[in-house]
Amino acid sequence: GAGVSQTPSNKVTEKGKYVELRCDPISGHTALYWYRQSLGQGPEFLIYFQGTGAADDSGLPNDRFFAVRPEGSVSTLKIQRTERGDSAVYLCASSPSGGGNQPQHFGDGTRLSIL
Amino acid sequence: AQKITQTQPGMFVQEKEAVTLDCTYDTSDPSYGLFWYKQPSSGEMIFLIYQGSYDQQNATEGRYSLNFQKARKSANLVISASQLGDSAMYFCAMRAFFGNEKLTFGTGTRLTIIP
Repeated sequence: GAGVSQTPSNKVTEKGKYVELRCDPISGHTALYWYRQSLGQGPEFLIYFQGTGAADDSGLPNDRFFAVRPEGSVSTLKIQRTERGDSAVYLCASSPSGGGNQPQHFGDGTRLSIL
Repeated sequence: AQKITQTQPGMFVQEKEAVTLDCTYDTSDPSYGLFWYKQPSSGEMIFLIYQGSYDQQNATEGRYSLNFQKARKSANLVISASQLGDSAMYFCAMRAFFGNEKLTFGTGTRLTIIP
């Protein structure tokens, strides 16, 4: 399809493990965003990429969280030493170039459960 | 800083009736955009409608319209002729036009359409 693709759709892992979440944005979109949505809440911003660079990582909660986008398309969100509080749905979004009136188009998310 | 307030945690509406979902916001940014998203139980975030802070007319997209009252800092979503498929969570969000790409979301309203 032509939408934002996120894999895996579900991830269950044990506390302390390392996880990687993948996002494939809409083709040609240079702006890419990661959000985290806890149960009963709206999404909360984590990080924004413009091309290959992280233009705003102010939402990352601590240094266990890291994201990359090496070739300006696919992005990977990496979480080290996972904690039970990291359990949430992680949403990725993209927009053509960011800014202005461009809506962000979201993927279906990855539901992360830390046991 | 930006803040979105959605005061209706849940609403029940009879099929074919119109429904208004409330959204108020707070920001010090002079230029900003307001967005509404729909999130069905399947989890994907679907963009519905956009309103720019300097737009003279209220936005409309099919059965969706946005009742934008800038002085009151409100951006209510109106859904006309509601359908069973409208049952979902609805999120109001905003973003500054300059210097900040992140969307700030409210806590959402769960809309249930009754046959």
